[in-house]
Amino acid sequence: QKEVEQDPGPLSVPEGAIVSLNCTYSNSAFQYFMWYRQYSRKGPELLMYTYSSGNKEDGRFTAQVDKSSKYISLFIRDSQPSDSATYLCAMSEQGAQKLVFGQGTRLTINP
Amino acid sequence: GAVVSQHPSWVICKSGTSVKIECRSLDFQATTMFWYRQFPKQSLMLMATSNEGSKATYEQGVEKDKFLINHASLTLSTLTVTSAHPEDSSFYICSARGIQAANTEAFFGQGTRLTVV
Repeated sequence: QKEVEQDPGPLSVPEGAIVSLNCTYSNSAFQYFMWYRQYSRKGPELLMYTYSSGNKEDGRFTAQVDKSSKYISLFIRDSQPSDSATYLCAMSEQGAQKLVFGQGTRLTINP
Repeated sequence: GAVVSQHPSWVICKSGTSVKIECRSLDFQATTMFWYRQFPKQSLMLMATSNEGSKATYEQGVEKDKFLINHASLTLSTLTVTSAHPEDSSFYICSARGIQAANTEAFFGQGTRLTVV
């Protein structure tokens, strides 16, 4: 079993829809959680960074962390075609240098 | 967010030659940088962790003599692919975390697409 599981998709939704992206993990020591967006042939871009449980909102993006369920989510409201990309979740333990990544979910927003 | 600059963004080289890729943190000091390799439609594969002033730590299965990493300053790490072969063709990405390394956001470079012919 992988430490971090993420449905690779592909996921295709119409423009304006609310998108929900999720990751589950098995390591209860993970404390720091990140979501990245990666366009084709580009490096990942940090979207959200959260510590421990709770919600964090930034514009159209909301990140949720439920440590009791070992489950994190990224919601995208009013999705745009420019949101079409691969979304990667990543997490790390307290004091750890390395990040553990999910597989990435390929998302397409259809005009 | 913080900026990590990676250069070149793409390179084509002949088989048997060496290629150097640079990774710079432009507006913060990075004690630790990471080098990843990414195959098409796959997630990031960590190759090595680079610490300023010390030897890099390589992941299992990564040849340290083939992928030379140097982290000479708090803002620069380099990856040199030595004696490149077509199977080394891939997308290489660097990442940097803040001076505390742990418990901080990780920022990525733009990536380098290496093609060995």
